[in-house]
Amino acid sequence: SYVLTQPPSVSVAPGQTARITCGGNNIGRKSVHWYQQRPGQAPVLVVYDDSDRPSGIPERFSGSNSGNTATLTISRVEAGDEADYYCQVWDSSSDLPVFGTGTRVTVL
Amino acid sequence: QLQLQESGPGLVKPSETLALTCSVSGGAISSSSHYWGWIRQPPGKGLEWIASIHYSGSTYYNPSVKSRDTISVDTSKNQFSLKLSSVTAADTAVYYCARSWGTAMIPLGHWGQGTLVTVSS
Repeated sequence: SYVLTQPPSVSVAPGQTARITCGGNNIGRKSVHWYQQRPGQAPVLVVYDDSDRPSGIPERFSGSNSGNTATLTISRVEAGDEADYYCQVWDSSSDLPVFGTGTRVTVL
Repeated sequence: QLQLQESGPGLVKPSETLALTCSVSGGAISSSSHYWGWIRQPPGKGLEWIASIHYSGSTYYNPSVKSRDTISVDTSKNQFSLKLSSVTAADTAVYYCARSWGTAMIPLGHWGQGTLVTVSS
């Protein structure tokens, strides 16, 4: 099955930029979706189809995807951005969705 | 505004069958061309997609639980359900129901708050 690898943790100071990577074989050929999960809450879709944002998601959240790495970028990080972030793609070989391993973002 | 609410037993004994229901409000399951699904998260671990069902009735399962699980829709109650048989401690998790964002199975744009299911004797 298709494997998505994320760094376990990312730390960032308030006001700085956090970059969360999602690695997968030729992931640039797939559409990548990103979810934010605050402690004790359900996941929320923050970026879909690599770089689109659902309504209500701040422009500070952006995404890119190329080669073997997709990236979720959070600009001007705020305390409220502290959460776990998961990437997700469709695995065309198994015809099933796959989640990444998840990254915990800590705001210093 | 679409809302999803999971309901379930909370505690299930090993080898028994877990039954979960997701009640949908703010929109009819049968009137949309979306997918409805279940995702779980063991304590302290990541997300795992379990199963999805299209409003037309087509079903999709994660091979890790296939043959043990069944997803179904009850349009008269505007609910969809998951049954997972022969549960073990490894099935202990928060179970979320969700709806697709668009007409593809993913991404998932609407989630329930989740319900914790513990498998223990």
